[in-house]
Amino acid sequence: SQQGEEDPQALSIQEGENATMNCSYKTSINNLQWYRQNSGRGLVHLILIRSNEREKHSGRLRVTLDTSKKSSSLLITASRAADTASYFCATVRTDSWGKLQFGAGTQVVVTP
Amino acid sequence: DSGVTQTPKHLITATGQRVTLRCSPRSGDLSVYWYQQSLDQGLQFLIQYYNGEERAKGNILERFSAQQFPDLHSELNLSSLELGDSALYFCASSPGQGAVLGGYTFGSGTRLTVV
Repeated sequence: SQQGEEDPQALSIQEGENATMNCSYKTSINNLQWYRQNSGRGLVHLILIRSNEREKHSGRLRVTLDTSKKSSSLLITASRAADTASYFCATVRTDSWGKLQFGAGTQVVVTP
Repeated sequence: DSGVTQTPKHLITATGQRVTLRCSPRSGDLSVYWYQQSLDQGLQFLIQYYNGEERAKGNILERFSAQQFPDLHSELNLSSLELGDSALYFCASSPGQGAVLGGYTFGSGTRLTVV
């Protein structure tokens, strides 16, 4: 079963707008990671946030983590057409020896 | 190029057949992970090897097996193939035994179609 559940399943925005997607998970985690997948390609690691961190930035990406609510959000600011992809959250559970478990993903379409 | 090499990129085979997917991890990475991605199941973890030893098993069918060789490349063997095995199979690698310190590096995948 999926550890993380992303919301929304799909998101369509215009270039320049911000895109926000959320991830909820069920068990205690060591860290949470976000990945991007362009259509039919391999996943690319975007950012990792540890369980003792609340917010992290990387370029136009901002990730938050609320361990009390077991949720995370990924914000992409000033989106570009090249940001069109599926975005997955993945968790490393404290009891799973570092194994990544992925959610179902959010499909983001950015139109020029 | 991520540094993780998967071959072949595409594979079309008939039900009942056996195939082997190959993965070379990024230079210096000791762990290899296999994932299956399908529309209905999403990304499912299959198995992990670290420096030649099996470390973790996920939702891997008994018809599937894997190994990691001394040169650290890995092979995933799928036998008695069924239509439902059609999927994208990804290999990923990491320096250590898991994702506690960092993320995985993924290959571009092998698209398996069973007809």
